[in-house]
Amino acid sequence: QVQLQESGPGLVKPSQTLTLSCNVSGGSVNSGGFYWTWIRQYPGKGLEWIGYMSDTGSLNYNPSLRSRLSIAVDTSTNQFSLRLSSVTAADAAVYYCAACGYTSGGSTGVWYFIDYWGQGTVVTVSS
Amino acid sequence: DIQLTQSPSSLSASVGDRVTITCRASESISKYLNWYHQQPGKAPALLIYAVSTLYRGVPSRFSGSGSGTEFTLTITSLRPEDVGTYYCQQSYSTVYTFGQGTKLEIK
Repeated sequence: QVQLQESGPGLVKPSQTLTLSCNVSGGSVNSGGFYWTWIRQYPGKGLEWIGYMSDTGSLNYNPSLRSRLSIAVDTSTNQFSLRLSSVTAADAAVYYCAACGYTSGGSTGVWYFIDYWGQGTVVTVSS
Repeated sequence: DIQLTQSPSSLSASVGDRVTITCRASESISKYLNWYHQQPGKAPALLIYAVSTLYRGVPSRFSGSGSGTEFTLTITSLRPEDVGTYYCQQSYSTVYTFGQGTKLEIK
């Protein structure tokens, strides 16, 4: 069973770059079968999908964040990371790393779902 | 982006009750609809994917139905551990989106 654990600074100054890492255990980031995903949850509880790197290395970012966002996988440490530049107060949230699994629906298509989640890390943006 | 609207935003029910939550999409998403349950202080957990397929280990009192733009999550015989917030999520478009959540409390 895959387990995920976020790490990174809990406090970031406005205009700086937020960098978070996600340690993967119980599986390998390059073994296939998952899209390595970041999601955030605002204090008012809304969930926002940030983006993912697929098991083939392709990237898919939320267009609202694309110009500031970078997601990468490090096979040497079995981790994946998020970098978000030029942060503002609007970026304050709980950040979750997650594993998006998928399964064939036959002729219907491929079903994607987020089946593993980290515990979440709180990010505050303040000077 | 595809918008998902859940109703109600909150509800209170008694142990043993049948509960239904609705999720409406701003455009057709076929059957690319998942449901999650978030207990207080925890990360969301997958309940159902592809509208009606129970994720492993999820009790059979949970069920999902629908297609196109209207979907429902039903909990038969509500249990105390079912409290928390329920979210729908679509994977039809490349920009995944979530509903705003339905908070379920026990009377």
